[in-house]
Amino acid sequence: GESVGLHLPTLSVQEGDNSIINCAYSNSASDYFIWYKQESGKGPQFIIDIRSNMDKRQGQRVTVLLNKTVKHLSLQIAATQPGDSAVYFCAEWLSNIPTFGRGTSLIVHP
Amino acid sequence: DSGVTQTPKHLITATGQRVTLRCSPRSGDLSVYWYQQSLDQGLQFLIQYYNGEERAKGNILERFSAQQFPDLHSELNLSSLELGDSALYFCASSTSTGKGEKLFFGSGTQLSVL
Repeated sequence: GESVGLHLPTLSVQEGDNSIINCAYSNSASDYFIWYKQESGKGPQFIIDIRSNMDKRQGQRVTVLLNKTVKHLSLQIAATQPGDSAVYFCAEWLSNIPTFGRGTSLIVHP
Repeated sequence: DSGVTQTPKHLITATGQRVTLRCSPRSGDLSVYWYQQSLDQGLQFLIQYYNGEERAKGNILERFSAQQFPDLHSELNLSSLELGDSALYFCASSTSTGKGEKLFFGSGTQLSVL
């Protein structure tokens, strides 16, 4: 797929484990953040978002944590499944356009 | 399925040529964004249109241009192509424009310049 060959950090986990994907953002004035998932052969898909007035937000099997002090975001996926294998991007909104990070490739081994 | 349609899915062309990539946004979405995804640069924002007008510009080369038509579909024109233009080009759409809008991405056009 398109993610193969991308020079990305890679996280390999076993099915059923929890995964933590990290992202450092660049601008301390950014106040809205999104995580996207890109499966092989597809475009990025929205997973979860968080505003800067929050430290944590939970979705279905996913949790996003925001640490504004160190400009760091993390995406936690509980009970990781093979279908979670994808490239994960964080994006920050400073102006009216989201700026994407380089992404992390998550590989889930059955 | 995001509802955003991009054509063609694959495009192979030669250096110096010109190509046009097409995007149909989700029904009702007024805003269209173009992104370039390459091996070493990740997802790079190129340009945004809202209801037919250019709204924001990123690191888009002068050889590249885009437009959004009255029916809201958009085209990205790439000319004088170089080997380094080989990439996956994504279109995304959103309902409106502004911070917090959810972007829905198409499946992309894979451009190979030989």
